[in-house]
Amino acid sequence: GAGVSQSPRYKVAKRGQDVALRCDPISGHVSLFWYQQALGQGPEFLTYFQNEAQLDKSGLPSDRFFAERPEGSVSTLKIQRTQQEDSAVYLCASSFGTSGGRSSYEQYFGPGTRLTVT
Amino acid sequence: AQSVSQHNHHVILSEAASLELGCNYSYGGTVNLFWYVQYPGQHLQLLLKYFSGDPLVKGIKGFEAEFIKSKFSFNLRKPSVQWSDTAEYFCAVNAIGTGGFKTIFGAGTRLFVKA
Repeated sequence: GAGVSQSPRYKVAKRGQDVALRCDPISGHVSLFWYQQALGQGPEFLTYFQNEAQLDKSGLPSDRFFAERPEGSVSTLKIQRTQQEDSAVYLCASSFGTSGGRSSYEQYFGPGTRLTVT
Repeated sequence: AQSVSQHNHHVILSEAASLELGCNYSYGGTVNLFWYVQYPGQHLQLLLKYFSGDPLVKGIKGFEAEFIKSKFSFNLRKPSVQWSDTAEYFCAVNAIGTGGFKTIFGAGTRLFVKA
């Protein structure tokens, strides 16, 4: 399809397990964002890529969280040694334009991965 | 730190009623402003955006928002809601020139429109 896709859609992990969440952005989109959305809250910024460069990772909550986008297309968010507080929906968004500037851009969101840590 | 505040978490309206959802942000510099909507079972999608120019912005489905810089506000309005407007609405801010690239979202407002 033409939209942002994420996999898996649902993931149940035992506490302490590592997980990897995948995002396929819209082809040609320069920017890629990861967000964490807890129940009843808005999306919370985790990290931002411009092509393969991770320009902002200020939102990653701990060093257990790691994201990469090695070829400037598909991105993976990895969470090591998952904890119960990591349970949330993880959203990926991509954009043709770049963030942080005055040029207009629009983020296109994927369906999210719902992570439940038991 | 930048933050976005949405005043109402839940709003219930009858069809044809007027809608105004409040959004305030805390950042003294230049901002890009957004409203996103999530319809039941669907992805977040852009409703409208403000980058510069006319502070009254028109979006899809008859929605509009007004940027009032002096009040740090970007309220969403629609003169007459429809049942199909039932959704969750998120205000978001991207602060320019901070050296970061994050977009900050509010907690969202759930709108339920009674037919």
